[in-house]
Amino acid sequence: DGGITQSPKYLFRKEGQNVTLSCEQNLNHDAMYWYRQDPGQGLRLIYYSQIVNDFQKGDIAEGYSVSREKKESFPLTVTSAQKNPTAFYLCASSIFVVAGDNEQFFGPGTRLTVL
Amino acid sequence: GENVEQHPSTLSVQEGDSAVIKCTYSDSASNYFPWYKQELGKGPQLIIDIRSNVGEKKDQRIAVTLNKTAKHFSLHITETQPEDSAVYFCAASTSNSGYALNFGKGTSLLVTP
Repeated sequence: DGGITQSPKYLFRKEGQNVTLSCEQNLNHDAMYWYRQDPGQGLRLIYYSQIVNDFQKGDIAEGYSVSREKKESFPLTVTSAQKNPTAFYLCASSIFVVAGDNEQFFGPGTRLTVL
Repeated sequence: GENVEQHPSTLSVQEGDSAVIKCTYSDSASNYFPWYKQELGKGPQLIIDIRSNVGEKKDQRIAVTLNKTAKHFSLHITETQPEDSAVYFCAASTSNSGYALNFGKGTSLLVTP
């Protein structure tokens, strides 16, 4: 089956700890994205990557880091510098099209809770 | 940057009635406008999208309209069913962030039998 997988589904972290969220896709998509969702809010862009070994900050990148060493993988690290990390994290991917009409497909999400 | 406003935040309709959700955007360069449905605890699912060279698109009970001059677009669901109950998000895409999506804050739709 083709699609986007995120793991784990639920994640608990103690304050001061870094934690890495996994995102894998087998759709052969060039672009990958990380969004954060808070209750009653829309999705906000954290980081995005259009090609391997390249990524850019989104609107709320502070306290987060990413890597894109492989086309199919785009892990997100939530660092201790992120002051309010408890949220639902969503990964997405799309065929990168310059014209901009790129359908984004989302994974099932990871719910992170800081204890 | 792009700003997407979505209204209403909650919407309750009776089964069989129509539901309309409206969004406005600020960046005239936006050219792609998808709508997503999100069920509790799950990732958003694309239900319909429209591109800036089209004014209207329909897929069975769902339709989207786009007014580029006024910079607003709307989702129309006809003959609503209880399984349509979910949170719906509109979004707009620009070149400023690698065509990442700028989302509205969502509309919680409840369809009562």
